[in-house]
Amino acid sequence: AQSVSQHNHHVILSEAASLELGCNYSYGGTVNLFWYVQYPGQHLQLLLKYFSGDPLVKGIKGFEAEFIKSKFSFNLRKPSVQWSDTAEYFCAVRSGGATNKLIFGTGTLLAVQP
Amino acid sequence: EAGVAQSPRYKIIEKRQSVAFWCNPISGHATLYWYQQILGQGPKLLIQFQNNGVVDDSQLPKDRFSAERLKGVDSTLKIQPAKLEDSAVYLCASSYGQGRTDTQYFGPGTRLTVL
Repeated sequence: AQSVSQHNHHVILSEAASLELGCNYSYGGTVNLFWYVQYPGQHLQLLLKYFSGDPLVKGIKGFEAEFIKSKFSFNLRKPSVQWSDTAEYFCAVRSGGATNKLIFGTGTLLAVQP
Repeated sequence: EAGVAQSPRYKIIEKRQSVAFWCNPISGHATLYWYQQILGQGPKLLIQFQNNGVVDDSQLPKDRFSAERLKGVDSTLKIQPAKLEDSAVYLCASSYGQGRTDTQYFGPGTRLTVL
């Protein structure tokens, strides 16, 4: 069965620190990859997505992610975090087929201290 | 463009009671999804509709959960009777549903507490 692993459950950073959140998936075929973010009190929002082509994907608010097929990874990065980046981050994979079902990781709670 | 709408936002019931959630997808989106998000976990798909037909309900506990999308737009998800372990946030999402670049957009969710 497909699965998504987010190894960091809680991350605490100071403002201006660099961020990298890990995401690994288990599926050998073609995948689409997503990062969603949930700010406090808000709904899940799409941060960025990878379908094909350049494995380095840029999203909103200065986030980027790199798809490394050989490592089954899609790590999220930001060079300098802000207090407003405090949120929960979810990695998700879609393997295609008859459904567009997303398989989500358990999420990483990021707290940025001013 | 209006987003996915859900109601109610919060619901508290006692076990063995019934409850229903409503979702209105983004206009023009043919595909509608219901996810369950238990505290500390990522969302898990319960059911997927393409227009008013069910595409995937393999994870739906059919003995107590039901969902419908009669006119291919709005959808309702019902739980009857509720159990303590049904306490979760129920998320509705929608998408155009076509092609490999299809992207899902989520509503605010309904937080259900079963006492």
